[in-house]
Amino acid sequence: GENVEQHPSTLSVQEGDSAVIKCTYSDSASNYFPWYKQELGKGPQLIIDIRSNVGEKKDQRIAVTLNKTAKHFSLHITETQPEDSAVYFCAASNEFGNEKLTFGTGTRLTIIP
Amino acid sequence: DSGVTQTPKHLITATGQRVTLRCSPRSGDLSVYWYQQSLDQGLQFLIQYYNGEERAKGNILERFSAQQFPDLHSELNLSSLELGDSALYFCASSGTVGELFFGEGSRLTVL
Repeated sequence: GENVEQHPSTLSVQEGDSAVIKCTYSDSASNYFPWYKQELGKGPQLIIDIRSNVGEKKDQRIAVTLNKTAKHFSLHITETQPEDSAVYFCAASNEFGNEKLTFGTGTRLTIIP
Repeated sequence: DSGVTQTPKHLITATGQRVTLRCSPRSGDLSVYWYQQSLDQGLQFLIQYYNGEERAKGNILERFSAQQFPDLHSELNLSSLELGDSALYFCASSGTVGELFFGEGSRLTVL
């Protein structure tokens, strides 16, 4: 089955700097790659996703890049703010829908004021 | 607020016991998913139901079972509980296609 590895497990950045979280996946058939943000005491919430027919997608300060050849994808957060502090999960699926989403182990991002 | 409701929020029980976790999906969502999140672990997919029928199965133990009722709410039953079953259990729902909407989870502590 699919295996998703995520790095780093913890990340601290100064407010205003950029943060990058990287994931690799094993199943070359995977075609859907969402990123979820989990704040303390809450469930994960989708922040951005990308499909395999696209190499990059941006939404304000958040961007995701996908390299299908290398089977890795990354989350980029620019101009970080304290409210960006959370745990971020990448995921991968080999179906268009949400069946069998395989999650990474998460990155705890801390923004230092 | 995701629109997904999970009860109870917290549950403390003893080894060998049985518990039931309940999930109400977002209005109109036919799919319900259950995930387990252990300490410092990612989200492990347990099982998915679509409109009352089991759709996909992940790493769900035989001691665990789930069902989705005609009103689309779902229950996850955990029996013969062990210390290692202590975790956050999340329910998520989705429409035909699209993002998963997660509830706030049920924290199970087995003593």
